[in-house]
Amino acid sequence: KQEVTQIPAALSVPEGENLVLNCSFTDSAIYNLQWFRQDPGKGLTSLLLIQSSQREQTSGRLNASLDKSSGRSTLYIAASQPGDSATYLCAVRQDKLSFGAGTTVTVRA
Amino acid sequence: GAVVSQHPSWVICKSGTSVKIECRSLDFQATTMFWYRQFPKQSLMLMATSNEGSKATYEQGVEKDKFLINHASLTLSTLTVTSAHPEDSSFYICSATGARLDEAFFGQGTRLTVV
Repeated sequence: KQEVTQIPAALSVPEGENLVLNCSFTDSAIYNLQWFRQDPGKGLTSLLLIQSSQREQTSGRLNASLDKSSGRSTLYIAASQPGDSATYLCAVRQDKLSFGAGTTVTVRA
Repeated sequence: GAVVSQHPSWVICKSGTSVKIECRSLDFQATTMFWYRQFPKQSLMLMATSNEGSKATYEQGVEKDKFLINHASLTLSTLTVTSAHPEDSSFYICSATGARLDEAFFGQGTRLTVV
């Protein structure tokens, strides 16, 4: 059974600092990995999708890397802003999506 | 990205009644739709997977007679919580993917409160 772990569970940083969010998974036989953002009481917003054959994806201030063989992905958010405060979830796809518990980020103004 | 619309965003119902939640893909054909439940400060728990025109596949421990899922078209899936009880109160989220089962897009979620 696929297990997805996200560390840390919570993170608080001052505005402008770079964020590093970690995701690890136990079964490397995945199709892709997706990073999501969830605001309180809301659904999930897809941030980045990395196919199993890719090493990284970038979108604006966001960069996600994937090391499938070691079962790890990292989401980098550059120059954090208060609006980046949210819970970030990673999920890996096999026949279905398996989610981590998320990292709750607070960016202090 | 593609848009998935979920309705209602919140609902309060009395114990014993049924509640229907709709999930629509607005700009793509959703071959597969997924229904999740999320408890406070926890991650998403997959309840069932539905393919258009087929019966839903339920995860272990999910009562199929209580959580009725219909995926009658490529743009609409519904989840009906039958004979709702307070323990069914939760946040329900749908997700949809296209034929390639590639990127998953999520609805806004529905907060169900059973009183």
